[in-house]
Amino acid sequence: DQQVKQNSPSLSVQEGRISILNCDYTNSMFDYFLWYKKYPAEGPTFLISISSIKDKNEDGRFTVFLNKSAKHLSLHIVPSQPGDSAVYFCAASARGGSNYKLTFGKGTLLTVNP
Amino acid sequence: DAEITQSPRHKITETGRQVTLACHQTWNHNNMFWYRQDLGHGLRLIHYSYGVQDTNKGEVSDGYSVSRSNTEDLPLTLESAASSQTSVYFCASSENLHQPQHFGDGTRLSIL
Repeated sequence: DQQVKQNSPSLSVQEGRISILNCDYTNSMFDYFLWYKKYPAEGPTFLISISSIKDKNEDGRFTVFLNKSAKHLSLHIVPSQPGDSAVYFCAASARGGSNYKLTFGKGTLLTVNP
Repeated sequence: DAEITQSPRHKITETGRQVTLACHQTWNHNNMFWYRQDLGHGLRLIHYSYGVQDTNKGEVSDGYSVSRSNTEDLPLTLESAASSQTSVYFCASSENLHQPQHFGDGTRLSIL
């Protein structure tokens, strides 16, 4: 059973516009959520995270929103740049009991067109 | 700068062979993880360790083993390589619950 779902395998946006990447989860024990960006032939790079005690976290052009009742989070990139073209992974963790494990979604390929 | 390195970056081997992938981190992190990335599956956890002499199975651990004899290294061994283990393997480490995992650049393993 897939506990973290990214239902859009790909997304294409124009440079300067907003990119919205979505992620749904099923495990109500998840309390820490992260987004990673991955370029080809490189490892995933941490982008931004949010704890379940918050509903929004912002870092420059990147904002993550968390809707706990809907078990949904989204990553907004504004404005989108061609260098943002990459695969984006959503990940979640249940940190209670010193659990450091992450469960990842399948990823969304974002293409930002000049 | 502290870092996490994986070696080799690419490897081709035959079914039935034993293969060991290396992971070395210089952050002095207690927590280390091995994932595999396959098309249509994202990143799946193979094994993880929370400190020296500690190892735990992840969701896809069959056919793999790890050992943790020091803080810096977590080698991943495929005891008898199978074609289904052809994949890209990533190692990661983290300091604590409040810090994200940092990933190496991966090892692309092909088993013929």
